[in-house]
Amino acid sequence: EDQVTQSPEALRLQEGESSSLNCSYTVSGLRGLFWYRQDPGKGPEFLFTLYSAGEEKEKERLKATLTKKESFLHITAPKPEDSATYLCAVQAMEYGNKLVFGAGTILRVKS
Amino acid sequence: EAGVTQFPSHSVIEKGQTVTLRCDPISGHDNLYWYRRVMGKEIKFLLHFVKESKQDESGMPNNRFLAERTGGTYSTLKVQPAELEDSGVYFCASRSGNGNTIYFGEGSWLTVV
Repeated sequence: EDQVTQSPEALRLQEGESSSLNCSYTVSGLRGLFWYRQDPGKGPEFLFTLYSAGEEKEKERLKATLTKKESFLHITAPKPEDSATYLCAVQAMEYGNKLVFGAGTILRVKS
Repeated sequence: EAGVTQFPSHSVIEKGQTVTLRCDPISGHDNLYWYRRVMGKEIKFLLHFVKESKQDESGMPNNRFLAERTGGTYSTLKVQPAELEDSGVYFCASRSGNGNTIYFGEGSWLTVV
């Protein structure tokens, strides 16, 4: 059973068209939920860590929120340079220090 | 400050050969991780070092993979002998002892033919 599921698999937006990416998880004892951005041929670039339900964090056009079962990455008025794969990963008591990743959402923003 | 650096960035080897990947973590980071992504799959954990000690190696696929971190600085991941299914991207990551952010390198792309 998948512990971390991201949706949609791919998302195409027009520049300025706001939307949200979803990351749902089934682990118990969540220690942290991480969002990363990955550009083609590059490694994951850290964006946010969320630790408890109700927590929110923002960076430029991105805002991450967390509930007890899922996290959303809201993208407001995206630009073409926001195009990337967005990865969600969880750290949980049952897994120790390691991150368990979702498959990612490929975002394409057209001008 | 330099990030996590990995070498080589790309490697193409024949089945049965040996490859050694190197990772230099961010200076001062005691925690070092190896992850990999094989074609069409999620990024998966391989192992975790704290300084020179293996904290968790539950993700290592089999005994053809050997990771070392002598002296608690850089780490190497050796695959011997390489098989076709070992092809993928191997990521190294590091974290400081008193922080929770895990920083990734650019990855080493391995192709076994």
